[in-house]
Amino acid sequence: DAGVIQSPRHEVTEMGQEVTLRCKPISGHDYLFWYRQTMMRGLELLIYFNNNVPIDDSGMPEDRFSAKMPNASFSTLKIQPSEPRDSAVYFCASSYGMGVGELFFGEGSRLTVL
Amino acid sequence: DQQVKQNSPSLSVQEGRISILNCDYTNSMFDYFLWYKKYPAEGPTFLISISSIKDKNEDGRFTVFLNKSAKHLSLHIVPSQPGDSAVYFCAAILNAGGTSYGKLTFGQGTILTVHP
Repeated sequence: DAGVIQSPRHEVTEMGQEVTLRCKPISGHDYLFWYRQTMMRGLELLIYFNNNVPIDDSGMPEDRFSAKMPNASFSTLKIQPSEPRDSAVYFCASSYGMGVGELFFGEGSRLTVL
Repeated sequence: DQQVKQNSPSLSVQEGRISILNCDYTNSMFDYFLWYKKYPAEGPTFLISISSIKDKNEDGRFTVFLNKSAKHLSLHIVPSQPGDSAVYFCAAILNAGGTSYGKLTFGQGTILTVHP
């Protein structure tokens, strides 16, 4: 079975550039989450969707960050403009509503902003 | 404000012995707790969970203990195997039965190394 698929796996960009991270959740899952992992803050939730609708975006650090889920099989996290402090590993996860907290994570997208 | 804390950055254990990973939390409203395991270059994978109405949950070699009065949970791995070497994260959920069921607050992680 295909797991959560994220792309790109690695991204190196320069400050000020736009970055788009992509995620394909597991088919049939109705929740999708974007998490970010940094040395300073660990793993933190940015935003999550239920049935393609954003439910809670209180973790999105600022207006430079935006996320969309146009359909059940695709989501994007966009950073515009990017800054060096955005450097982190961004994880997408999905789940089916019955399993409390049992999320299936992708392999992550490592972002480096120079 | 770190609501979920794993105070030991690393733990080294001999194969066959018990591994005990600890986690403390500050918010008494957390009502569900989980442990995730993470290998390098992979995403975290769910390991085991426990509801706040229980004090123990067991799954094979893995047991999670919850002490609500102390706001402390621990993960026991018996016996430890070299393949258990990974980063272990504890996580907590507020109002697990509501809309925030997937809104996990993670600890910083503990690196477990199991030596053959």
